[in-house]
Amino acid sequence: GEDVEQSLFLSVREGDSSVINCTYTDSSSTYLYWYKQEPGAGLQLLTYIFSNMDMKQDQRLTVLLNKKDKHLSLRIADTQTGDSAIYFCAESMGTNAGKSTFGDGTTLTVKP
Amino acid sequence: GAVVSQHPSRVICKSGTSVKIECRSLDFQATTMFWYRQFPKKSLMLMATSNEGSKATYEQGVEKDKFLINHASLTLSTLTVTSAHPEDSSFYICSARAGESDTEAFFGQGTRLTVV
Repeated sequence: GEDVEQSLFLSVREGDSSVINCTYTDSSSTYLYWYKQEPGAGLQLLTYIFSNMDMKQDQRLTVLLNKKDKHLSLRIADTQTGDSAIYFCAESMGTNAGKSTFGDGTTLTVKP
Repeated sequence: GAVVSQHPSRVICKSGTSVKIECRSLDFQATTMFWYRQFPKKSLMLMATSNEGSKATYEQGVEKDKFLINHASLTLSTLTVTSAHPEDSSFYICSARAGESDTEAFFGQGTRLTVV
C-alpha cells in the first residue's frame, strides 16, 4: 500500500531557511500536498504540486519534487516563529483530493 | 480558500454514551467529505468517505456500526461515535471536497473527543 515518510523533528533559527523532506512509495501519486497543523487545530493546506511538475514557488514556500526518487521537499525561506507547527506531507491519486495518505508529520521548531 | 467548520471543537462524554460531530462546508457545496482520526503525535488515519445522499465508504478496520456517518445535504456530514469508550478518545478531523475534479480539499479545525 501507499507509504509516506517524513523526519519527525526539525529545529531552525529565526531567519534561516527550513527544509522539510518527504518520501513516498506510490508511483501513481498524482498530487502531493503540504499541510500545516498548529497545536489543537485542524490542517491548513499550504501548497500542492502536480506530479508532472518539478518545482512550485509560492511566496516564502518552495516545493521541489523528484519523481524519480519519489522525494518531495518543502523549503520555507526566512523562517519565523509563527511557522512553528507540524507539517504533513500527503499524497493522493488522481483528483481524489481529500482522500490522501499522510506522513507522520514533521514538528518544526523555530528558535528566536 | 473555502471554509469547513466542525462542531463541537471539544467534547467530553461518559463511557457508553454517543456523541455527534458535525462537519459543515460554509461557502461551497461538498459532494464528498472525509473523516479522519488523529492519534497523539501521529498522522491522520482516514476512517471513511462520505458521499452526499449515499452510504459512506469505510476504510478497512473501521467499525461502521460504531462510527455512523450521515451526509444528508451538500453542506453537512455528521460522525456519530456510538457507545463511546475511552479508547475512542482522539482528535477527529473532517475534510470536504467541492467537486469530483477538485484538487483541493479543505479541512475543519478538528474535534477533540475525550471519553471518561
